[in-house]
Amino acid sequence: LAKTTQPISMDSYEGQEVNITCSHNNIATNDYITWYQQFPSQGPRFIIQGYKTKVTNEVASLFIPADRKSSTLSLPRVSLSDTAVYYCLVENSGGYQKVTFGTGTKLQVIP
Amino acid sequence: GAVVSQHPSRVICKSGTSVKIECRSLDFQATTMFWYRQFPKQSLMLMATSNEGSKATYEQGVEKDKFLINHASLTLSTLTVTSAHPEDSSFYICSARRTENNEKLFFGSGTQLSVL
Repeated sequence: LAKTTQPISMDSYEGQEVNITCSHNNIATNDYITWYQQFPSQGPRFIIQGYKTKVTNEVASLFIPADRKSSTLSLPRVSLSDTAVYYCLVENSGGYQKVTFGTGTKLQVIP
Repeated sequence: GAVVSQHPSRVICKSGTSVKIECRSLDFQATTMFWYRQFPKQSLMLMATSNEGSKATYEQGVEKDKFLINHASLTLSTLTVTSAHPEDSSFYICSARRTENNEKLFFGSGTQLSVL
């Protein structure tokens, strides 16, 4: 299982772009990178997933360099409601392997 | 989008009683479901992997006789905390993968268990 490393916490002002980087040095060829968001007392929610290069959806962008040993979640113009814990996961495309969570990054958006 | 329903959302029980938590995939079939527990201000800890029609695979340190998992159908997995004690108080979360799309996890809303 690929282990992930993220900053424990980050602060950002409203309206700024936030970039959270995750290291996954031993990612395997069949692994995808997925980011989830969790609010207190709720289950995690899917944000974005990618395999390589750049992926963008309506809420975020995911940048993955060619070696895939890291990835960066980019949240454009954050608002107070983006205050949450963000988890980077490496998941095997086979689907049956277990999925473990790292520490996550606690993002605090400041007015 | 795919929905995973988890019930109950909150339960308070006396020490020594058993509590059952249900996890249902509402609009897709889930071959694999995962059960996690989460203590305040900590990350999710994987307890077990549940595969439909077979025995669950428990993580090291998780007592399988204490936390009974049943995955009897492609849309339902249950976690029973047997003879609950105060130290079992935690937030329990289930997740499921679509059978036909094994790349993304869908999570339940979690169950807050408080054992008095």
